[in-house]
Amino acid sequence: DTGVSQNPRHKITKRGQNVTFRCDPISEHNRLYWYRQTLGQGPEFLTYFQNEAQLEKSRLLSDRFSAERPKGSFSTLEIQRTEQGDSAMYLCASSFGGPRGNQPQHFGDGTRLSIL
Amino acid sequence: AQKVTQAQTEISVVEKEDVTLDCVYETRDTTYYLFWYKQPPSGELVFLIRRNSFDEQNEISGRYSWNFQKSTSSFNFTITASQVVDSAVYFCALSEWTGNQFYFGTGTSLTVIP
Repeated sequence: DTGVSQNPRHKITKRGQNVTFRCDPISEHNRLYWYRQTLGQGPEFLTYFQNEAQLEKSRLLSDRFSAERPKGSFSTLEIQRTEQGDSAMYLCASSFGGPRGNQPQHFGDGTRLSIL
Repeated sequence: AQKVTQAQTEISVVEKEDVTLDCVYETRDTTYYLFWYKQPPSGELVFLIRRNSFDEQNEISGRYSWNFQKSTSSFNFTITASQVVDSAVYFCALSEWTGNQFYFGTGTSLTVIP
């Protein structure tokens, strides 16, 4: 069990640029989640995949954000035209389970995004 | 409305003291799940425990214990004989039967002073 892997660990970019993050979940997990965490706050849900299907999106996920999980394995989160307010830690989590989210989610180390 | 409230922002204790971290939740679902996670300075959230809404039995795991009370919508976490390695931010989270996301509280930062 190699755990959830995220890269890059840190990303610094200028406002207006596009960024893409990658998440590799625990291999046998069929569910994958993206969260955003700002300083002093708990993680906030962004979106969730069951296998390759994106089943739920938060209203926090503006049209500048897009997530994919093309083959039901790794996932990418892209932010277009980044803004200062996008600066945060982006966390990926995975779990194994049926239609209800009763299984613990296992988190990666996160990608810290800083917008200059 | 905040579904999970952790009113204690920061707590400091001296090593070997007991400490309780409070968590109050809000949901209309009759079936739901509660979790505690630890986030050490390294940043990775570490799963500690899951509790189902239909199981009100309290649980003890080593120095950790959890007190779930549906009547007060609380799921408190006690660390007995705290150690410096317990220093971290602790998050309580709720998962509802009718949804798939976790709702996290704002966390309690625990500092254990040697």
